[in-house]
Amino acid sequence: GAVVSQHPSWVICKSGTSVKIECRSLDFQATTMFWYRQFPKQSLMLMATSNEGSKATYEQGVEKDKFLINHASLTLSTLTVTSAHPEDSSFYICSARELAGGWDEQYFGPGTRLTVT
Amino acid sequence: GNSVTQMEGPVTLSEEAFLTINCTYTATGYPSLFWYVQYPGEGLQLLLKATKADDKGSNKGFEATYRKETTSFHLEKGSVQVSDSAVYFCALNVNTGFQKLVFGTGTRLLVSP
Repeated sequence: GAVVSQHPSWVICKSGTSVKIECRSLDFQATTMFWYRQFPKQSLMLMATSNEGSKATYEQGVEKDKFLINHASLTLSTLTVTSAHPEDSSFYICSARELAGGWDEQYFGPGTRLTVT
Repeated sequence: GNSVTQMEGPVTLSEEAFLTINCTYTATGYPSLFWYVQYPGEGLQLLLKATKADDKGSNKGFEATYRKETTSFHLEKGSVQVSDSAVYFCALNVNTGFQKLVFGTGTRLLVSP
């Protein structure tokens, strides 16, 4: 199957700093990528939907100025957590949608563990 | 709204035991239903799916039937293996055209030899 990578796999940052997480589709083009957040023992919560070349669509309650999403190419989307605080510590997961020739599938990255101290 | 409810885990079984993980949903319209599996240290992988009522999805010995009358999509396997130990997520697609998925909380399965 198709592969989606995330970098870094884990990151520790100090409160007030910003951190960028990359999501790449390695062997297919993804016009749509999704960003999720997962709290311990809880479900994945969709944060935003990102379409290549356009602004991301954020879910209700997600601060777009805090979680900046850029989908600059068909294989790369980035999530920047700005002015991070301890409550932003979480597991962030991206997914990428492959839509081609009648094939429609969503592939997930392995996730990025963010710890804000 | 749209939501998915899964049984809480962990589910602990011995190898070759029968597995059932319950999943029920609430949705507007007619969603597609999915089971995803997450092995330790890896991303979620699609295990199986069903797109309409009475459809049965199956893969790797796992199966689930889309039951509209009971709004359920229970995951079953006749004989689990140690390698099946993972977290299983039930999800639905609200069919907005972008495969926007709504997930359950996940159920951890632990299979012992």
